Amino acid sequence: KAGVTQTPRYLIKTRGQQVTLSCSPISGHRSVSWYQQTPGQGLQFLFEYFSETQRNKGNFPGRFSGRQFSNSRSEMNVSTLELGDSALYLCASAGGFTEAFFGQGTRLTVV
Amino acid sequence: ELKVEQNPLFLSMQEGKNYTIYCNYSTTSDRLYWYRQDPGKSLESLFVLLSNGAVKQEGRLMASLDTKARLSTLHITAAVHDLSATYFCAVDNAAGNKLTFGGGTRVLVKP
Repeated sequence: KAGVTQTPRYLIKTRGQQVTLSCSPISGHRSVSWYQQTPGQGLQFLFEYFSETQRNKGNFPGRFSGRQFSNSRSEMNVSTLELGDSALYLCASAGGFTEAFFGQGTRLTVV
Repeated sequence: ELKVEQNPLFLSMQEGKNYTIYCNYSTTSDRLYWYRQDPGKSLESLFVLLSNGAVKQEGRLMASLDTKARLSTLHITAAVHDLSATYFCAVDNAAGNKLTFGGGTRVLVKP
């Protein structure tokens, strides 16, 4: 059974640019959540999508957005990148009442 | 607002000895997770605890949950070098795939 796939694995962007990250959940899972991990703030919840609808949202500015497609794949977008957006971005897929499984993450560096 | 606190933040272990990591959370929870993270890697699920008094064991790791005290513990028996990693607890109390993480406990096992 394939796991959670995140692409790309590494990304370097310049301040002011925008970036799109992708997450393909485990087959059959309809929930995808996104997290940001930084040394200073730890692991923080960004948002969750379920059946193409945002179901939960964390405390991040509007520059962070996401969406989910009919095949449950999800994308998150960060616009007007800031240095502080440099982080490991993790997505987690879950189905029904199963536990959350995490992808390998996308390491974003903003220069 | 749900808060999750872990202690200690750092644990220097001697091989062969036993140690415990504590995880306190502030509100009623549906599920409590323990994850392991190696440097630069994603989160590996260790345990999911669903009910009061739940105890799960895998190898040298044992996790327990006391929902009345809002406390979970991760006990390490006879530590070995391979257990060096950062351990996170996380709580899920939303109707969805939304985890609130503790700050993590960095474990270093010395020979």
